Amino acid sequence: DIQMTQSPSTLSASVGDRVTITCRASQSISSWLAWYQQKPGKAPKLLIQKASNLKSGVPSTFSGSGSGTEFTLTISSLQPDDFATYYCQQYDSDPLTFGGGTKVEIK
Amino acid sequence: QLQLQESGPGLVKSSETLSLTCTVSGGSISSGSYHWGWIRQPPGKGLAWIGAISNSGNTYYSPSLKSRVTISVDTSKNQFSLKLRSVTAADAAVYYCARRQYGDGFDPWGQGTLVTVSS
Repeated sequence: DIQMTQSPSTLSASVGDRVTITCRASQSISSWLAWYQQKPGKAPKLLIQKASNLKSGVPSTFSGSGSGTEFTLTISSLQPDDFATYYCQQYDSDPLTFGGGTKVEIK
Repeated sequence: QLQLQESGPGLVKSSETLSLTCTVSGGSISSGSYHWGWIRQPPGKGLAWIGAISNSGNTYYSPSLKSRVTISVDTSKNQFSLKLRSVTAADAAVYYCARRQYGDGFDPWGQGTLVTVSS
């Protein structure tokens, strides 16, 4: 199985801050990586796929980069609606695996 | 707009079989090249892929659950289903269904359904 490791597990930030979350794969997954946002009691919402392709309708303050084994999700200016938990997920090979999540909290 | 909705018992007894159905609306489960999948999330924990079924009926399962899981599709009802046998407390989770196109992430997702396992 491909292990996905996210860091940090928790991040405290203020509105307007630039935030970066890292996701590392235990082996190369090319660009087969997705990022999701999850709020309490809700299903995850797809933000980015193929490592850097922003899903239609997702604010342009979100961006993704990376390939191979190291990836980042960046929020250029944190908004109140962005406080949530973020997950990365590889879909290079089965079994599909998720990172452990990064909770973005209000500082 | 495609929507997915999970349904099934919210309480299952230990050692019995968990059965959930995902109903697809706003589009046909038979059209396109999609995988219809199940993902679960234990309370307070992260996401874990259970498995998926393709439009052609091919199934893909997590190795850790493969011996206990069956995913099937009923195109006449526009539904796909999950059966997880011999459940234990470790299977208690919110279960989500979701669609995935080859090369893309899971989108959309159902709202999720909480399954509790009783002894």
